[in-house]
Amino acid sequence: GQQLNQSPQSMFIQEGEDVSMNCTSSSIFNTWLWYKQDPGEGPVLLIALYKAGELTSNGRLTAQFGTTRKDSFLNISASIPSDVGIYFCAGRTGEAAGNKLTFGGGTRVLVKP
Amino acid sequence: DTGVSQDPRHKITKRGQNVTFRCDPISEHNRLYWYRQTLGQGPEFLTYFQNEAQLEKSRLLSDRFSAERPKGSFSTLEIQRTEQGDSAMYLCASSLGGGQEKLFFGSGTQLSVL
Repeated sequence: GQQLNQSPQSMFIQEGEDVSMNCTSSSIFNTWLWYKQDPGEGPVLLIALYKAGELTSNGRLTAQFGTTRKDSFLNISASIPSDVGIYFCAGRTGEAAGNKLTFGGGTRVLVKP
Repeated sequence: DTGVSQDPRHKITKRGQNVTFRCDPISEHNRLYWYRQTLGQGPEFLTYFQNEAQLEKSRLLSDRFSAERPKGSFSTLEIQRTEQGDSAMYLCASSLGGGQEKLFFGSGTQLSVL
């Protein structure tokens, strides 16, 4: 089963708003990756984090590797309609546990009607 | 387009039939991963290859599933005697490996077992 918990499970955005989401784990991770997935497509890599406390931006997106190494955060500033989609966090615990990425259940970003 | 390519994009089959999917990774990538994703869930790891060697398999990969990467380039995933529970999106990803590994995904193969 999933080891990563994403919050919130879904959210509504209005154009221009800033939005935040997070990912928590009971295990320590040494890599965090954030992906966005559109319906019927594969996940697209947004940001990669490799060091505790690291803060990385990609355009309007900013992600942070939590200092406890058990969480990560993604912020979207000044949201636009194309930000709609499902955002997944994914983490890797390290070589001893294999190279696989474990994914969270996703945060669904929807537009306010 | 030099991204990860998967074929077919969609596959509808009857229960009990065998199906095979193909993945062509980004050309210089030595690692190739297979994931499965069901509706409303995140992708779940199935298996991965370092060049032609299959190095890790998930317990999700029952004996009806087999994956190959014969020349360390493209990979195939075969499901024998398909069951309705096999219906899912099958995703392939590739990477260069290394300490700061990034996985790049294809568009997936959507399997429907009737």
